[in-house]
Amino acid sequence: GEDVEQSLFLSVREGDSSVINCTYTDSSSTYLYWYKQEPGAGLQLLTYIFSNMDMKQDQRLTVLLNKKDKHLSLRIADTQTGDSAIYFCAERAAGANNLFFGTGTRLTVIP
Amino acid sequence: NAGVTQTPKFQVLKTGQSMTLQCAQDMNHEYMSWYRQDPGMGLRLIHYSVGAGITDQGEVPNGYNVSRSTTEDFPLRLLSAAPSQTSVYFCASSPGGTGEKKLFFGSGTQLSVL
Repeated sequence: GEDVEQSLFLSVREGDSSVINCTYTDSSSTYLYWYKQEPGAGLQLLTYIFSNMDMKQDQRLTVLLNKKDKHLSLRIADTQTGDSAIYFCAERAAGANNLFFGTGTRLTVIP
Repeated sequence: NAGVTQTPKFQVLKTGQSMTLQCAQDMNHEYMSWYRQDPGMGLRLIHYSVGAGITDQGEVPNGYNVSRSTTEDFPLRLLSAAPSQTSVYFCASSPGGTGEKKLFFGSGTQLSVL
């Protein structure tokens, strides 16, 4: 079955770049997603990338996809205290309805 | 914009009690799903539905029932609550068809079973 893995914790200083990594096992993954969860709230979609792309940039966010290694990363430039949250990687296989989520990475931004 | 609405936000049950977690969406989404979130385990899919009258099991369906009588509503039922069902529950919906299928989440229900 699908397996999506992330490290559990990441700390960065305000103003630095954050890089959150994710690996997945399903080679038929079509879409890969990054969601953000703030304390006491549901998940919000940050960005997504289609499997035929290797990079997507959206303001301070850069997503890199290495299909050969099944590795996805999310880079947040100029990290702010408001970026402190849990970040989830998720994947969806071709033709499937369901998303499979990683364990989430708790990002702590130190002022 | 209401989006996905979950009720209640918090609930405490005793072992063996039953309850229904409510979920409603006003975006005319075909797909709806329930996830549970546990520390260190991410989100795990409980049940999902691709349209009214159609439901199917996810990764962790045991102890939970669902129904989808309308497009808008997708309640999750716990027939006999167990401490292992203590968790945060999220309902999510997305449009049908092909494409990126962005999931929209409710704000969650925190359930404690004593």
